[in-house]
Amino acid sequence: DTGVSQDPRHKITKRGQNVTFRCDPISEHNRLYWYRQTLGQGPEFLTYFQNEAQLEKSRLLSDRFSAERPKGSFSTLEIQRTEQGDSAMYLCASSFGTSGNNEQFFGPGTRLTVL
Amino acid sequence: GEDVEQSLFLSVREGDSSVINCTYTDSSSTYLYWYKQEPGAGLQLLTYIFSNMDMKQDQRLTVLLNKKDKHLSLRIADTQTGDSAIYFCAASPVGDGGYNKLIFGAGTRLAVHP
Repeated sequence: DTGVSQDPRHKITKRGQNVTFRCDPISEHNRLYWYRQTLGQGPEFLTYFQNEAQLEKSRLLSDRFSAERPKGSFSTLEIQRTEQGDSAMYLCASSFGTSGNNEQFFGPGTRLTVL
Repeated sequence: GEDVEQSLFLSVREGDSSVINCTYTDSSSTYLYWYKQEPGAGLQLLTYIFSNMDMKQDQRLTVLLNKKDKHLSLRIADTQTGDSAIYFCAASPVGDGGYNKLIFGAGTRLAVHP
C-alpha cells in the first residue's frame, strides 16, 4: 500500500452539474477525513468517518454535499448542482487509532474547477 | 473554536536556518503538527509534538512549543532549495468521541534562494 489515493486528480465541470470524487485510504486506517482547500488558504475540515459511520459534518458542508463510506474502506464525496464557489482542492486523509495522536496522511487531492 | 495563525511568507538563503512560527488558541489541542505542501501536491506530514513536550528534534527539524503562550515554531537547519514549499501548522482540539480533526493555519510560503 503506497498511501492515500484519490480519483480523479482533476475535474472540470459546468455549473449545475453533479460531481463525485473517490478516496481510498491506507488499508488499515479506520478514520477518514475530507478537507477542502482554496487558493492561498489552509485545508478546512468538511467531514469525518470512523469506519462506516459519519460522525461529524462541518457547517461548510451544505445540503448539496454528501459523503459516504459504505463498507468502512473507500469513501465518496458528491457535490450536487455545483456552483463556481465550489472550485477548490478536495483533500482526503486517513489515520489509525481510537484516541490520542491522530497522524493524518493526505492524498494528492482532487482539483475541482466549476465553469 | 480553534484558530491557528501563521506568518505568510519567509525568505532565507540556502544553508541558513529557517524558523516558521505559529500561534493557536485552543489549549485542549494535545497534538500539534507541521505539514509541507509542494506545488500541486497533497500535504506531507513532517513532524508533530505532544503538548506536554517543549521540544522535539527530528534530523534537520526542531519543533519548539510554548504551551503557556500557545506558540509553536518549526526550525529547519541548513535550509536547501528543496525545502521551498508551503508549511502548514495544524492543531487538533479534542472532539466528541476522542477523535481530532485538524485545524490548519493559512500556511507559510518558504522561499530559499542561493
